Amino acid sequence: AAGVIQSPRHLIKEKRETATLKCYPIPRHDTVYWYQQGPGQDPQFLISFYEKMQSDKGSIPDRFSAQQFSDYHSELNMSSLELGDSALYFCASSPAGANPGTDTQYFGPGTRLTVL
Amino acid sequence: AQKVTQAQTEISVVEKEDVTLDCVYETRDTTYYLFWYKQPPSGELVFLIRRNSFDEQNEISGRYSWNFQKSTSSFNFTITASQVVDSAVYFCALRAGSARQLTFGSGTQLTVLP
Repeated sequence: AAGVIQSPRHLIKEKRETATLKCYPIPRHDTVYWYQQGPGQDPQFLISFYEKMQSDKGSIPDRFSAQQFSDYHSELNMSSLELGDSALYFCASSPAGANPGTDTQYFGPGTRLTVL
Repeated sequence: AQKVTQAQTEISVVEKEDVTLDCVYETRDTTYYLFWYKQPPSGELVFLIRRNSFDEQNEISGRYSWNFQKSTSSFNFTITASQVVDSAVYFCALRAGSARQLTFGSGTQLTVLP
């Protein structure tokens, strides 16, 4: 079965640079979530999109922005990178549907961002 | 606010032993969903199970079983006859009310020794 695709899988950047992470949800999934997982930490919710509109916002820094496109893929843009942004960034997708009970989030493999 | 507590930071067992991972949750919402995810050393998050707040039936899937008890706000996960491939970090997560994002516990690192 098709899974969530994230690219790139690994990314190395210098401080103050910018980075763009991409997420391609499972076909027919219209909701996308972004999470950040620091070393030894649990995943922290950043932001989500439903039908190309932002639906929920978590602890996303102002330096980060994201959007969902007409084909439902999503991009997380990160500017003025800091050492503390080094983390594993997960994208998850779910079929919103009419019944929230169907809303299981399936995660991609993650993008490991290292800021030097 | 939602909260998930996984008090066991690390557990180490010998292969073929049974092991139970504890999860306690807090929410004021009457409708909520509980999840378990597995994160192997390769890093991906693998969905294992979802349980709705209105369905307290326990579930068994092969060597895995889950015990959901609303009276104690717990959703524990048991692996029977553990195997080395079960070694991973296991996260319990909660989604409550109208919020769609997951709140994760801090995870339990399970190591199964041969």
